Amino acid sequence: NAGVTQTPKFRVLKTGQSMTLLCAQDMNHEYMYWYRQDPGMGLRLIHYSVGEGTTAKGEVPDGYNVSRLKKQNFLLGLESAAPSQTSVYFCASGRQVQPQHFGDGTRLSIL
Amino acid sequence: QQQVKQSPQSLIVQKGGISIINCAYENTAFDYFPWYQQFPGKGPALLIAIRPDVSEKKEGRFTISFNKSAKQFSLHIMDSQPGDSATYFCAASTSGNTPLVFGKGTRLSVIA
Repeated sequence: NAGVTQTPKFRVLKTGQSMTLLCAQDMNHEYMYWYRQDPGMGLRLIHYSVGEGTTAKGEVPDGYNVSRLKKQNFLLGLESAAPSQTSVYFCASGRQVQPQHFGDGTRLSIL
Repeated sequence: QQQVKQSPQSLIVQKGGISIINCAYENTAFDYFPWYQQFPGKGPALLIAIRPDVSEKKEGRFTISFNKSAKQFSLHIMDSQPGDSATYFCAASTSGNTPLVFGKGTRLSVIA
């Protein structure tokens, strides 16, 4: 079972560039999440979705957009990358509101 | 405002010892308290969770103790092993569609 798959695993961007992080889950979960993890800050919720076609803001949504056009996919977009968005990004999914499965992360560096 | 405070930030335990990680919360509406384990280079994995209707939950060597009046909960790892070396996160949420709030994590190192 693949579980939660994140693409890409690593990426380096220049300030001002845009990119999309892709998350795919094969467990038919309704709930999907995007978190960022920074040293000493724990996991902070960026955006989440409670079902196909829905999105909601989390704790740190500024500078990010998301889309959930298909139940199995949750996309995280950075329209104009900033150095402060250098982080490790985790996608997660779950049957209920609490995330059960996490991907292995996308390590993003913005120069 | 940090809703879930986790301590210590780091912990070193001898093999075979007991590892104890503590979390405190303020929001009395929280009614779900999970712990996650994260190994380097991997995403967090749900380890064990408790609801406030019980004071303790045990799964193998891992135990959550819950003190509702003190608004605290803790993770105990009995007979700690080097393979338990990881970062542990506590979290809390309310029923319904409220997402989890995470603590900042504890890096556990179990040395032989």
